[in-house]
Amino acid sequence: KAGVTQTPRYLIKTRGQQVTLSCSPISGHRSVSWYQQTPGQGLQFLFEYFSETQRNKGNFPGRFSGRQFSNSRSEMNVSTLELGDSALYLCASSLFAGGGVEQFFGPGTRLTVL
Amino acid sequence: ILNVEQSPQSLHVQEGDSTNFTCSFPSSNFYALHWYRWETAKSPEALFVMTLNGDEKKKGRISATLNTKEGYSYLYIKGSQPEDSATYLCALESGGSNYKLTFGKGTLLTVNP
Repeated sequence: KAGVTQTPRYLIKTRGQQVTLSCSPISGHRSVSWYQQTPGQGLQFLFEYFSETQRNKGNFPGRFSGRQFSNSRSEMNVSTLELGDSALYLCASSLFAGGGVEQFFGPGTRLTVL
Repeated sequence: ILNVEQSPQSLHVQEGDSTNFTCSFPSSNFYALHWYRWETAKSPEALFVMTLNGDEKKKGRISATLNTKEGYSYLYIKGSQPEDSATYLCALESGGSNYKLTFGKGTLLTVNP
């Protein structure tokens, strides 16, 4: 069974640009969550999608957005990039959301903003 | 804002030593507690999901316990090996429409041969 995949793995952008990251969950998984990790910080929750609906969003500005498609693949978009957006972005999928179900993580996308 | 605390922040042990880490979390509205192992340049790997007070789970030399009433979980590694070197993360699951995992900052374990 293929794991969670994320593309691209590495990305370099400049301030003011926008970026789209992609996440393909494990087949059959309907919940996709996104996390940001910056130096010195733990994994910070960005948002969670289930059946194409955003059900919860973390404490991030509106520049961070996402969506989920009917095949459960998800994208996240960051507009007007800032230097502080440089981070590792991880997505995780699970069969459904809640009830102590395991989340399976992808390898992440390393975003560098210059 | 949920506060999940892990201690110690880092730990150096010798091969063969046994060790343990702590994860503390708010005890109200508990749904589940997740433990992950994260090696450098790899994806976080799920170790345990614990849901009931008093839960004890074991996978090989690694085990975990859960106390939801006092809001803590312990992760134990028996006879540490160099390949156990990684960051160990715990995450508190929030339920319902607020579903998410709130992670601690992790414990970085280094096992010296």
